[in-house]
Amino acid sequence: DIQMTQSPSSLSASVGDRVTITCRASQSISEYLNWYQQKPGKAPKLLIFAVASLHSGVPSRFSGRGSGTDFTLTISSLQPEDFATYYCQQSYSTPSFGQGTKLEIK
Amino acid sequence: QLQLQESGPGLVKPSETLSLTCSVSGASISSSSYYWDWIRQPPGQGLEWLGSIHVRGSTDYNPSLKSRLIMSLDTSKNQFSVRLTSVTAADTALYYCARRPMSDFWYFDLWGRGTLVTVSS
Repeated sequence: DIQMTQSPSSLSASVGDRVTITCRASQSISEYLNWYQQKPGKAPKLLIFAVASLHSGVPSRFSGRGSGTDFTLTISSLQPEDFATYYCQQSYSTPSFGQGTKLEIK
Repeated sequence: QLQLQESGPGLVKPSETLSLTCSVSGASISSSSYYWDWIRQPPGQGLEWLGSIHVRGSTDYNPSLKSRLIMSLDTSKNQFSVRLTSVTAADTALYYCARRPMSDFWYFDLWGRGTLVTVSS
């Protein structure tokens, strides 16, 4: 099984900040990496697939980078609606998710 | 409006079978462009992929659950279902159904709101 490790597990930031979340795979997953946003009581929403491809309707302040084992999700200028939990997910083999990064308001 | 909605018993006894259905509106599960998946999230924990099914009949299951999982779909009702046998407390979770576009990059572009299933006597 491929283990996905996100860091940090939680993060406090302010509106307007630039934020980066890291996801590391236990083995190379090439570019089979997706990102989701989940708000309390809501289903996860797809943000980015295949490392850097923005899902339809996702604001351009979200971006993704990486390959192999190390990946990042960056929010260029935090908006109030961005405070949520973010998950990475690999699809190189049996899909698995990171444990999540909770982004909170400072 | 495109929507997925999970339904099923909220309480299941240990050793029994958990059965859930996902009703799809605004899209046809008969479309060959999509797979239909189940994902769960135990309370306070991360997400776990259970498996997927395609209208052509193919299924893929998480190896860790494969011996206990059965997925099916009903095109006449535009629904798909999951059955998980011999449940234990570890199967207590919020269960989501999701849509997965046919792609090398397995990502889930639409999710239901989830239904909580508690395994308890």
